[in-house]
Amino acid sequence: GENVEQHPSTLSVQEGDSAVIKCTYSDSASNYFPWYKQELGKRPQLIIDIRSNVGEKKDQRIAVTLNKTAKHFSLHITETQPEDSAVYFCAALYSGAGSYQLTFGKGTKLSVIP
Amino acid sequence: GAGVSQTPSNKVTEKGKYVELRCDPISGHTALYWYRQSLGQGPEFLIYFQGTGAADDSGLPNDRFFAVRPEGSVSTLKIQRTERGDSAVYLCASSFSGLGTQYFGPGTRLTVL
Repeated sequence: GENVEQHPSTLSVQEGDSAVIKCTYSDSASNYFPWYKQELGKRPQLIIDIRSNVGEKKDQRIAVTLNKTAKHFSLHITETQPEDSAVYFCAALYSGAGSYQLTFGKGTKLSVIP
Repeated sequence: GAGVSQTPSNKVTEKGKYVELRCDPISGHTALYWYRQSLGQGPEFLIYFQGTGAADDSGLPNDRFFAVRPEGSVSTLKIQRTERGDSAVYLCASSFSGLGTQYFGPGTRLTVL
């Protein structure tokens, strides 16, 4: 099955700085990579995603890059704001034998210091 | 439109009891997923439905866990003879298709005493 590693587990940045979270996956058949933001006690919310036929995607202050050869994808948040503080999860979609299960990393707790 | 909803939001039960957790997906979404999230961890896959059928139940930890989706919309996760280790947040997600974006519900926090 798929295995997703996520680093770092915690990240503190000053407001206005950039934050980068990195993930690796093991199964080359995985082809969809979403990122979710989860605030304490709330549901995971999709913030950006990328499919395997694209190398980079950007949405305002958030960008994701994918390196299929290295099985590596990263989340970049620029001009961080205190409301960006949350736990961020990367995930990889394994779509084999008719199943579409997401495998998640363990999460990164991002703290943006005002 | 309305998102994924789950009831109850919290459930406290005693060891050995039976519980049912309900998920209402986004209208029109044919794919439905159950995940379990323990404290400080990412969600872990339990089961995936395409329509009424369980297409993949490989994540169910043992035969105490069972899920149904009889009409292809609402789903119920059933846990028999609950154990303290079952305590977690149970998340439901739905998507338009298997390859579509998965939208999560708020979860049910299950506590087994």
